[in-house]
Order: sequence, then structure tokens, then C-alpha cells
Amino acid sequence: SQQGEEDPQALSIQEGENATMNCSYKTSINNLQWYRQNSGRGLVHLILIRSNEREKHSGRLRVTLDTSKKSSSLLITASRAADTASYFCATSYSGGGADGLTFGKGTHLIIQP
Amino acid sequence: GAVVSQHPSWVICKSGTSVKIECRSLDFQATTMFWYRQFPKQSLMLMATSNEGSKATYEQGVEKDKFLINHASLTLSTLTVTSAHPEDSSFYICSAPQRNTDTQYFGPGTRLTVL
Repeated sequence: SQQGEEDPQALSIQEGENATMNCSYKTSINNLQWYRQNSGRGLVHLILIRSNEREKHSGRLRVTLDTSKKSSSLLITASRAADTASYFCATSYSGGGADGLTFGKGTHLIIQP
Repeated sequence: GAVVSQHPSWVICKSGTSVKIECRSLDFQATTMFWYRQFPKQSLMLMATSNEGSKATYEQGVEKDKFLINHASLTLSTLTVTSAHPEDSSFYICSAPQRNTDTQYFGPGTRLTVL
């Protein structure tokens, strides 16, 4: 499975600012998911957006999906120190849990207090 | 939300030995589970799909004789790294999709260090 690209690879911002991460992928998808990973730990599911959706919100998170450009963005508003982590997008070709996910390379986000 | 556990959380072994990692779905049944590998500062790479009652399917470049997968029940999949070598040192993570949903729930991972 080919990985997508994410940018930036690393992002450092002040607490309270908004953080935007982008993800591009290569094949058609059923859905795209964003995960957070704290250092050396497992993944926490943040949000899922389906291929027929363009935008989705969950708390301080906003995700957009542009299937024509094969790209997605994750916006975290009013960032907090606890948001420091690596963020990965992951795509599913089939949906319904039938296939494994293809992960992007990730963005390492650092929130400066 | 659904919970997936892994055991052990970390293991250190000598080169040439075999290591078994368990992945359990605690509150739901999973006919399919997935195994990923993550090297330091890198992303997750899908290794194989574990299928209950049938053979696992492996991604290109993953040796099926080296990474043995057994999906013994609807809540348990095991990954055995056979004749481990230092280059197998990595973070191994499993996931399980809950039926009729698109969300995959990830285990906490197992850090394998081969000396």
C-alpha cells in the first residue's frame, strides 16, 4: 500500500493558536480518518470523513476532504499543550473495516505553552 | 468506545528467538484484525490482515513465514515473529474494525527490541 504525504512534517505553534495539517493520498477512497499518537503509544481515533462528505466537525477539530485533489486537512482550533502529539491521516479503499488503512507520514505537532 | 488490548506491551529478546504478540478485542467480535509495524519516527505500515477461520493475507514484502499470524477466535489474533533479528525491532500495533462501522480501534502497541 502506498503512503500518502502529509505536510508539514513538523509544526510548532503557541498555545491558543490554530494548527492546520494537510494530507494527500493517491487512490480513490471510501473514507479518510485522522488519528493522534502520543510518543511511543497507540493511536487515538479523532474523526472520520466519508468520500461523499466535504467537511466535518468534532469539538475543536475540523476536517475537510477534497476528493478531486485527493487531499484532506485537519484544523485544531485554540490549541492546548495536551494537543502535542503526532497526527496521521489514514485512508480506507473499501470501507466497512474490510481493508487495512494506508497511513500518511504524519505531522508532529508541538504546542508551546 | 470499543477497546482493543495487546500483550505484552513491550518485550526484549535475544536474536534468533521467537516472540508472540496477542491482540484482543475486549467488548466486540472481530472477524478481521490488522497488524501494522511502525519504525521510530516513521508512520504505520500495514503488514497483514488476520482473518478468523482462514489464512492471513500479507502485504507485499512481508514474509509470511517470518511473521506468523493466527486468528484463533473472534476476539483474538496473534502475531509471532519467528527467529527475530535486530532489524525486526519495531513497534507492532494491531487494529480491529467493529462490525458495520468504518472505524478501526487500535491496540496500545507492543514494542519489540531484539538484541
